[in-house]
Amino acid sequence: EVQLVESGGGLVQPGRSLRLSCTASGFTFGDYAMSWVRQAPGKGLEWVGFIRSKAYGGTTEYAASVKGRFTISRDDSKSIAYLQMNSLKTEDTAVYYCVVVITYWGQGTLVTVSS
Amino acid sequence: DVVMTQSPLSLPVTLGQPASISCRSSQSLVHSDGNTYLNWFQQRPGQSPRRLIYKVSNRDSGVPDRFSGSGSGTDFTLKISRVEAEDVGVYYCMQGTHWPWAFGQGTKVEIK
Repeated sequence: EVQLVESGGGLVQPGRSLRLSCTASGFTFGDYAMSWVRQAPGKGLEWVGFIRSKAYGGTTEYAASVKGRFTISRDDSKSIAYLQMNSLKTEDTAVYYCVVVITYWGQGTLVTVSS
Repeated sequence: DVVMTQSPLSLPVTLGQPASISCRSSQSLVHSDGNTYLNWFQQRPGQSPRRLIYKVSNRDSGVPDRFSGSGSGTDFTLKISRVEAEDVGVYYCMQGTHWPWAFGQGTKVEIK
């Protein structure tokens, strides 16, 4: 059974940094691209970005709203994907979901950016 | 960037009656590989999204056959043949053809 567990969310001040983790199990992690999607409170869904598998270069793509501030990385030996978020803004407040093959979603972790 | 537009945004339905949600994209979703990467998601209250339909009309495993997807190019539809109480939630179309991938605004399905 595929499981994705996000962690690392919490309350952070504007301008600060936070790193989210997504611990995966139930599939061969290194074979798949890993994505992050976010949902602001009471709002719709927004793709944050994704990282390709090593077989496809391990390269990344980002939404314009986070490009240059957020970085996605992966540790295939630990089956963990990361979302490093720098220079956080109040509008980054959202539940952040880890997603694989668009089909499997974690339960999400809430990030609140507020002073 | 591709913009996904859903209608209606709110859909009150009677139990046992059909429901239909429209999704239009600002450009064709036909990929260079010939596939059309149009997905439909259901998000029940308090839950993570769940994919129902992929590549326009293919149901994911475990999805009831009362859900069906259709369409091509830029116009797509999700239909529920007979709405049940467990279908309450928000439905999103999502294109995975052009980066950045994009969701529609969501359609809230509720029981009358």
